[in-house]
Amino acid sequence: DQQVKQNSPSLSVQEGRISILNCDYTNSMFDYFLWYKKYPAEGPTFLISISSIKDKNEDGRFTVFLNKSAKHLSLHIVPSQPGDSAVYFCAARSGGGADGLTFGKGTHLIIQP
Amino acid sequence: GAGVSQSPSNKVTEKGKDVELRCDPISGHTALYWYRQSLGQGLEFLIYFQGNSAPDKSGLPSDRFSAERTGGSVSTLTIQRTQQEDSAVYLCASSFLLAVQETQYFGPGTRLLVL
Repeated sequence: DQQVKQNSPSLSVQEGRISILNCDYTNSMFDYFLWYKKYPAEGPTFLISISSIKDKNEDGRFTVFLNKSAKHLSLHIVPSQPGDSAVYFCAARSGGGADGLTFGKGTHLIIQP
Repeated sequence: GAGVSQSPSNKVTEKGKDVELRCDPISGHTALYWYRQSLGQGLEFLIYFQGNSAPDKSGLPSDRFSAERTGGSVSTLTIQRTQQEDSAVYLCASSFLLAVQETQYFGPGTRLLVL
C-alpha cells in the first residue's frame, strides 16, 4: 500500500506560468514533508521542506503548502523556468526519523518554451 | 565540498552472482541511508546507519541483502545470488545527524542490471 501518492506521472507547463505539483499521503504519523528534484542520471536534490506545524513554507520561486486535514501537500513553482524540467518526488517522514524517507513515484515536470 | 559518491556507477552482472555497492558519504555526516529505485517506482527505503550501527534491517528486501559501515564513513551494500528483480538504481544518502529535519543528500546512484 502506497503511503505517499503522486497521481500525476507527468505535467506540462508553459515557461513563465505557475507549476503545481500535488502529493497525497495516508499515514497520519508523517509530520515532516519534503520535495526533491531529480535530473536524469543524477541523485535526487533537496528542494524544500515543511513541518506539520506549518501550512506554508516559501523559498524563492518555490512554495510548499500543507493541508493536514486533507493529508495533501502541493509544490508551487512560479514563474516556471526551463531548468525546472525534472522529476519531482514528494517524500515524508515520521517523528522518529529513523525510518528513512517514504517517497512517491514522482511527477515528470516539462516546461515548454 | 565533495558530495556523496557511489561506485560503481553502473554494474551488469549475471543472475546468481554476488555484487557489492559502495557509498562514500559527505565527510562528517553521521547518518547514512540506502534506497532503491526500481523502474517506474519511487525510492524505496532499505536501511540506515547511525555511525556504524544499523538498528533496523527490516527494510532489506530479502536475506540476500546485507549492508555494513566501517569507521563511521564508507558503507557497502552487498547482494548475494542476484536475481533479475534486483535490477534497479541503488541510491545512498547521508545527513549530518539522524533527525527528522535533517536534510538527506543523495549520491548519483549505482545502476544495477541483472541478466
